[in-house]
Amino acid sequence: GAVVSQHPSRVICKSGTSVKIECRSLDFQATTMFWYRQFPKKSLMLMATSNEGSKATYEQGVEKDKFLINHASLTLSTLTVTSAHPEDSSFYICSASTSGRVQFFGPGTRLTVL
Amino acid sequence: AQTVTQSQPEMSVQEAETVTLSCTYDTSENNYYLFWYKQPPSRQMILVIRQEAYKQQNATENRFSVNFQKAAKSFSLKISDSQLGDTAMYFCAFMKLDNFNKFYFGSGTKLNVKP
Repeated sequence: GAVVSQHPSRVICKSGTSVKIECRSLDFQATTMFWYRQFPKKSLMLMATSNEGSKATYEQGVEKDKFLINHASLTLSTLTVTSAHPEDSSFYICSASTSGRVQFFGPGTRLTVL
Repeated sequence: AQTVTQSQPEMSVQEAETVTLSCTYDTSENNYYLFWYKQPPSRQMILVIRQEAYKQQNATENRFSVNFQKAAKSFSLKISDSQLGDTAMYFCAFMKLDNFNKFYFGSGTKLNVKP
């Protein structure tokens, strides 16, 4: 149990376009979902926390207008990278948490902006 | 602010031997959880073990066990009978108990299990 999926697993886009990444909890309802960014050989950097039906809470230094997060239901959260630029290229990981306070992670999405 | 420190960027161990990964953290909180996650080359984060701070007994999961020293703010992971499949990045994480339950991750330790 406790499976989290992400789609797409890889995406390549042109500079200036927007990209949407979906995160779904497949077999449980997630009270909270998190979005992380991971640079090569580095740790996970928390970008934002979202609760279903509420606005996301962004970490300091993360542009909320650039990284739009929507948590429409207890099983789906989306991250939209707006007007993507090459410096946005990274590995994006979502996680979902239940009341048990364990985070279950998705497999990640590799974004490459040309 | 919570900080998590993993002072060993990379470690190696022979197959079937035992290895210990270090993690220290800094917090003024009394109630919190600690975790070890594994990230193999596939980059899928996998929960290895969890420890609640209020529990004095160290958590164990098969070949994985922790040495939780609350006063010293230390949370090391011991892997017994190491297997080739244990090769991965290992991240220590701290979670404060509040409305958000955010994780604070250490910088990670790359473990190489050698045949």
